[in-house]
Parts: sequence; structure tokens; C-alpha cells
Amino acid sequence: QVQLVESGGGVVQPGRSLRLSCAASGFSFSSYPMHWVRQAPGKGLEWVAVISYDASSKYHADSVKGRFTISRDNSDNTLYLQMNNLRPEDTAFYYCARDFYQGSGSSYYFDFWGRGTLVTVSS
Amino acid sequence: QSALTQPASVSGSPGQSITISCTGTSSDIGFYNYVSWYQQHPGKAPKLLIYDVSNRPSGVSNRFSGSKSGNTASLTISGLQAEDEADYYCSSYTSSSTPVFGGGTKLTVL
Repeated sequence: QVQLVESGGGVVQPGRSLRLSCAASGFSFSSYPMHWVRQAPGKGLEWVAVISYDASSKYHADSVKGRFTISRDNSDNTLYLQMNNLRPEDTAFYYCARDFYQGSGSSYYFDFWGRGTLVTVSS
Repeated sequence: QSALTQPASVSGSPGQSITISCTGTSSDIGFYNYVSWYQQHPGKAPKLLIYDVSNRPSGVSNRFSGSKSGNTASLTISGLQAEDEADYYCSSYTSSSTPVFGGGTKLTVL
């Protein structure tokens, strides 16, 4: 069955960096666009970034553009989110999510989600 | 891109039907038929309920249905059950080529 397992969260000071990972299994990882979506504790969902199935294209939300970078390693079935210059408002659970459709383009529908990893930005 | 507008809470009794609204603009819901709905139980990851305004993924109960009129999308849950108590989020593709979510609606089953 499809499994997505995030890791790499923790407590970090403002201005520092963190890299999140998402280990995928149970499906053809290299065929699907993948996303990061975050949720501040007790708050709503916010889309963060998407990467195409072959990593040829990437898009980031304006709120993280220039600070966060999504990437993937299809040989290792792993999705990454490099987060630099972290701010307190980046505090959230970070979910990796699979796009509903495989292949080129993205539907921006998320049919499988991991359990999330918590990032806390605080001095 | 501002978040879509959802009521903070709705409630209903078992067996009843409820509808959750999701209001956007002519740059998102009003222009694109790319609306989706998610259910999230406490401490769990969201689950996709509806995509393309009114389509259900395989395995999702037909008690869940979606629709759209103008800038407002709606999720209707019929035959309300205790396990439906959860948070519900709408989402739409936008003219910025990115998705936007609603603020979420807490459904209470009385």
C-alpha cells in the first residue's frame, strides 16, 4: 500500500536551516508529481511546493519562495524540502502528499498524505 | 492569494444532511472547475473526498457530494454519521497557477 513517511522536523532558531525528507513506498514514485503542504498547529492547510515527476519543474508558494526548495531523488524514492532562513511563522506540521494524477503536469489534488513532521521555529 | 472562506463550524444530527460552503473569487472557484474537498480527523492527515468539483475518488462514500455555483463551492454530507465529525477543507486552483485552501470547517455531529 502507499506509504509516505516524513522526517527531519524539530526545533530550530529563526534564521537557521532544516531539511525535511519524505520516504515513499508502495507505488511508482518516479511517475507522480509530489507536494509539500503545511498546517500550523490548530490552523488550516497551506500548500507549500510541488515538483514534477522527473524534477524538471518546481513551484513554490510566495510565502516560502527564495527560502524553501523542493527536490526529489527518484533512485531513492525520496522527496525533500530544504528550508533556509526559517521564520516563526513557518512553525507547522509539514506533510508530503502525492498528486492525484501521474505523469506530466499536476492536478493539485492530494490523494495520499504522510503523517507529517513538526517544525518549530523559536528562539 | 487569500484563503477561501468557509464557515468555522456546522452541526447536524445523525441521519440528517448538512452542507458546507466555500466562497472564493472569479480568480479561483469562479473560473476553474478544479475544486476539491478534504476531511481531517484530529491528529490525522487529510483525506481527499471530492475532486473536480463533484467527483469522488474510489472508496469514498456516495454520502459525500460536491457542487459549485458561481464563486461558491459546496460539500453536502447526507445520512450524517458519528464518524463524519471532523474538519473539512475546500481547495481550488487559482489564476496564480497554485492551489489555495479554505480556512476549514469543524463539523459536529450532535
